[in-house]
Amino acid sequence: GENVEQHPSTLSVQEGDSAVIKCTYSDSASNYFPWYKQELGKGPQLIIDIRSNVGEKKDQRIAVTLNKTAKHFSLHITETQPEDSAVYFCAASGMNRDDKIIFGKGTRLHILP
Amino acid sequence: EPEVTQTPSHQVTQMGQEVILRCVPISNHLYFYWYRQILGQKVEFLVSFYNNEISEKSEIFDDQFSVERPDGSNFTLKIRSTKLEDSAMYFCASSPQISSNSPLHFGNGTRLTVT
Repeated sequence: GENVEQHPSTLSVQEGDSAVIKCTYSDSASNYFPWYKQELGKGPQLIIDIRSNVGEKKDQRIAVTLNKTAKHFSLHITETQPEDSAVYFCAASGMNRDDKIIFGKGTRLHILP
Repeated sequence: EPEVTQTPSHQVTQMGQEVILRCVPISNHLYFYWYRQILGQKVEFLVSFYNNEISEKSEIFDDQFSVERPDGSNFTLKIRSTKLEDSAMYFCASSPQISSNSPLHFGNGTRLTVT
């Protein structure tokens, strides 16, 4: 089955700097890659997703890149703000009805004042 | 914006007892899921449910676990005889389409503590 690895487990960046979180996946059939943000005491919330037919997607300060050949995908947050502090999870899924979303282990992002 | 609601937010139970975790998915969603998250670890898939039956389940979802959609709005997870290692956050999620076509909407979770 699918296995998703995520790095780093913890990341501290100065407010205003950029943060990058990287993930790899094992199943070449996976074609949907969402990113979730989990704030304290809440469930994961989708922030951006990318499908395998594109290599990059951007939404304001957040961008995601996908390299299908290398089975890598990354989350980029620019101009970080205090409210970006949270745990971020990458995930991967296939197209079939029974394909579940498999999560990485998460990255705890700290934005330093 | 409609949201997935879970009750209770925190459940404490003794080892060997049965617990039922409750979820109300978003009303027009068709696919339902349970995930769990042991403290500080990743979110793990337990089970998916569609058209009143289990679509897929993980190896974690053994005979002690069951799910039910008893009416048109609730989706429950039952653990028959809880073990210490069942202590975790349990998240319910729903989506209008299969998970690869639309994002999962998660509830805020139920923290289960087994003593």
